[in-house]
Amino acid sequence: DVKVTQSSRYLVKRTGEKVFLECVQDMDHENMFWYRQDPGLGLRLIYFSYDVKMKEKGDIPEGYSVSREKKERFSLILESASTNQTSMYLCATQRDEQFFGPGTRLTVL
Amino acid sequence: GQSLEQPSEVTAVEGAIVQINCTYQTSGFYGLSWYQQHDGGAPTFLSYNGLDGLEETGRFSSFLSRSDSYGYLLLQELQMKDSASYFCAVRDGSGNTGKLIFGQGTTLQVKP
Repeated sequence: DVKVTQSSRYLVKRTGEKVFLECVQDMDHENMFWYRQDPGLGLRLIYFSYDVKMKEKGDIPEGYSVSREKKERFSLILESASTNQTSMYLCATQRDEQFFGPGTRLTVL
Repeated sequence: GQSLEQPSEVTAVEGAIVQINCTYQTSGFYGLSWYQQHDGGAPTFLSYNGLDGLEETGRFSSFLSRSDSYGYLLLQELQMKDSASYFCAVRDGSGNTGKLIFGQGTTLQVKP
């Protein structure tokens, strides 16, 4: 059975903190994605990766970076969290269709 | 630019049929997908249309017309559990290198 896990369901951080969101998949998929989801805005692509150590910017990469050191793990990093990064963050893998993790609801105070 | 348009909200009663439309304008097109997301849950894949026509999966069907840059999701015999958000998404590349561009989502409310 397909499985995508994210390190936390809920996270509260303070402005200026460095935040790590982890995503792990057990499907041996090469493609992995990070989205943020906000009411009325749908899913917006932050970064994606087609292979280990490879990364591509999505539509809204500003304020974020990513790391893909191993095939199964794709990390999203907020270098200095800001209140406008309060959102639901969704990780996904892809082979034909996309499989999503449960999401991390991040609140930045 | 790239954009997908779908209605923000749709309301229907249990047992009815509802159609959620999606029009798209993208630089690349390699198929239209539909995803369902229940409140508090993750999006899950429903259907994919790579070619024109109708694809049926149980109570759900999806249609694509590439010449009209248009597709729809048809939900029949609505049940309360179908209350959710539905997203259309265009794949902008072939094979495993294409990524998805999502619409803003349609919230479907099914009433008794």
